[in-house]
Amino acid sequence: QQQVKQSPQSLIVQKGGISIINCAYENTAFDYFPWYQQFPGKGPALLIAIRPDVSEKKEGRFTISFNKSAKQFSLHIMDSQPGDSATYFCAASPLDSGGSNYKLTFGKGTLLTVNP
Amino acid sequence: DAGVTQSPTHLIKTRGQQVTLRCSPKSGHDTVSWYQQALGQGPQFIFQYYEEEERQRGNFPDRFSGHQFPNYSSELNVNALLLGDSALYLCASSSLDRDGNTIYFGEGSWLTVV
Repeated sequence: QQQVKQSPQSLIVQKGGISIINCAYENTAFDYFPWYQQFPGKGPALLIAIRPDVSEKKEGRFTISFNKSAKQFSLHIMDSQPGDSATYFCAASPLDSGGSNYKLTFGKGTLLTVNP
Repeated sequence: DAGVTQSPTHLIKTRGQQVTLRCSPKSGHDTVSWYQQALGQGPQFIFQYYEEEERQRGNFPDRFSGHQFPNYSSELNVNALLLGDSALYLCASSSLDRDGNTIYFGEGSWLTVV
């Protein structure tokens, strides 16, 4: 059972365009929703993360939109650049009784290609 | 401020052998988790260590074991290697008291089982 569903599998955008990647989750215990960027042969690098007490968070060109009632969240990359070409993963984690994120469940990833 | 560091970066083992992977968490982090990432897939949670004890475990067999040391560094051990164990093994660290409980990943150790 896949607990975090990510779409699309792949995405091609033109330089300067907006890239949008969507994720949906099932587990209502999830309380932390990060996005990671991964280049070939490298580990995932944290881009931006959100908790369900806010509906939107923006950091530079990256924005997370969060809809708790729909159990959906999305990543928007504004002014997409060729250097943004990478695989993007959404993830979610519940909090344990001590308030710690203890287990990330990942989506299957989206391969983003930004054409110059 | 060093991030999460892992060693070795690449290794090749024969089916049936045992392997040990090592991880040093980000400075100030006390919690270490291990993930397995097969080619073309998202990372899968193996287990998490805190205060030198395994606190949470994912759906992995007992062939996968770990250890956390007093300095918070950690090892992942895999026994009786199978061809299907070939993957990128990622270490992640976090701290409830620092960095807003954010989880950071290392660059990983590429394991090839032949």
